[in-house]
Amino acid sequence: EAQVTQNPRYLITVTGKKLTVTCSQNMNHEYMSWYRQDPGLGLRQIYYSMNVEVTDKGDVPEGYKVSRKEKRNFPLILESPSPNQTSLYFCASSSEAGTAWTQYFGPGTRLLVL
Amino acid sequence: QKEVEQDPGPLSVPEGAIVSLNCTYSNSAFQYFMWYRQYSRKGPELLMYTYSSGNKEDGRFTAQVDKSSKYISLFIRDSQPSDSATYLCAMREKTSYDKVIFGPGTSLSVIP
Repeated sequence: EAQVTQNPRYLITVTGKKLTVTCSQNMNHEYMSWYRQDPGLGLRQIYYSMNVEVTDKGDVPEGYKVSRKEKRNFPLILESPSPNQTSLYFCASSSEAGTAWTQYFGPGTRLLVL
Repeated sequence: QKEVEQDPGPLSVPEGAIVSLNCTYSNSAFQYFMWYRQYSRKGPELLMYTYSSGNKEDGRFTAQVDKSSKYISLFIRDSQPSDSATYLCAMREKTSYDKVIFGPGTSLSVIP
């Protein structure tokens, strides 16, 4: 079964305490992304990756880091979380062949930064 | 002006109605046009995508793209209560790989 998994699903933390949200996909997709979803603002892309060791900033990268050391994994790192990073986070993976394109999202990670 | 605009609704229709959801955009370089469905507390699910312009049909769903007007639509025929969800439009350029721009989403309720 095609799947994108994220862990943890829920996280409460305090300002400044480093955290990592993991993301893994089992479809051998080249592309992976992180998004945050906030009421009234919709889904905004944080970072994306075109392949192993290739990443680029999305629309809201400040305060986040990513790495892509393996094709299947794309962790999101918050080195010093702040309350404005309280949000719902989604990881996604996608694949493109010619004009055919497919994308899957993970179940989401709800983060609260106190 | 935002790159992608979408009426947030909420939209409430009776079961069996035809639903029309719309988005406008400003970037003429967009080539992929997508529609996602997101149920409450779930991740978005890619419903349909269209490359370039034209129509695409999948069961009760039809996606239309009018690049001259920078306007895309999703039609849902014979709407069902299970269609109640938030519908997100999204777009990307051909060579922008995974850089996708989303609209804010329209909340739809189909009343039995």
